[in-house]
Amino acid sequence: GAGVSQSPRYKVAKRGQDVALRCDPISGHVSLFWYQQALGQGPEFLTYFQNEAQLDKSGLPSDRFFAERPEGSVSTLKIQRTQQEDSAVYLCASSQDGMNTEAFFGQGTRLTVV
Amino acid sequence: AQTVTQSQPEMSVQEAETVTLSCTYDTSESDYYLFWYKQPPSRQMILVIRQEAYKQQNATENRFSVNFQKAAKSFSLKISDSQLGDAAMYFCAYRSGFYGGATNKLIFGTGTLLAVQP
Repeated sequence: GAGVSQSPRYKVAKRGQDVALRCDPISGHVSLFWYQQALGQGPEFLTYFQNEAQLDKSGLPSDRFFAERPEGSVSTLKIQRTQQEDSAVYLCASSQDGMNTEAFFGQGTRLTVV
Repeated sequence: AQTVTQSQPEMSVQEAETVTLSCTYDTSESDYYLFWYKQPPSRQMILVIRQEAYKQQNATENRFSVNFQKAAKSFSLKISDSQLGDAAMYFCAYRSGFYGGATNKLIFGTGTLLAVQP
């Protein structure tokens, strides 16, 4: 596609529910990042993939958060047993090689846990 | 650890005027990149301008320019001839220049909300 696509745009989950957020990066982009943006804050790094390899997951806040990119293209961020503090916008970004090339962002998924 | 600080939560500018957004950062690295991103209500982060730390010349992109003061660890964004479409949240961000893994991640400030008055 022309840009990074994320779905759904909005998700309302009941506390305790599992959710899955999808990111479709720009075709051919090697690097993929997930960020979490709380209300009124800047995005914070969650995890990073180079092709299908998850090279860094140091930003994942708990073991309820899990990300995968099995074929090196589409990625899914899964949150188990959602809690209110998980409410945020989840942004996905991809770049050609992750080093000197620009990172392109999707429009994010706004997750609200009630 | 690297940090990015934006001390202006909100700024306002008259259309056609000039505004400067401030950003300071802290790092012990010598090789890094600095960025300004724009985030409109659509939430999509759009790259405005980038600066390589090894370049002494300040980056410029049309109406957008930066004042990069490496010794002071300051990286401000100047928007000239402000337009209504410039109204958005602006984030300053840092990225390590070293290749590989987590060092490619962006570290963002808390943002400055820019309003443009007609």
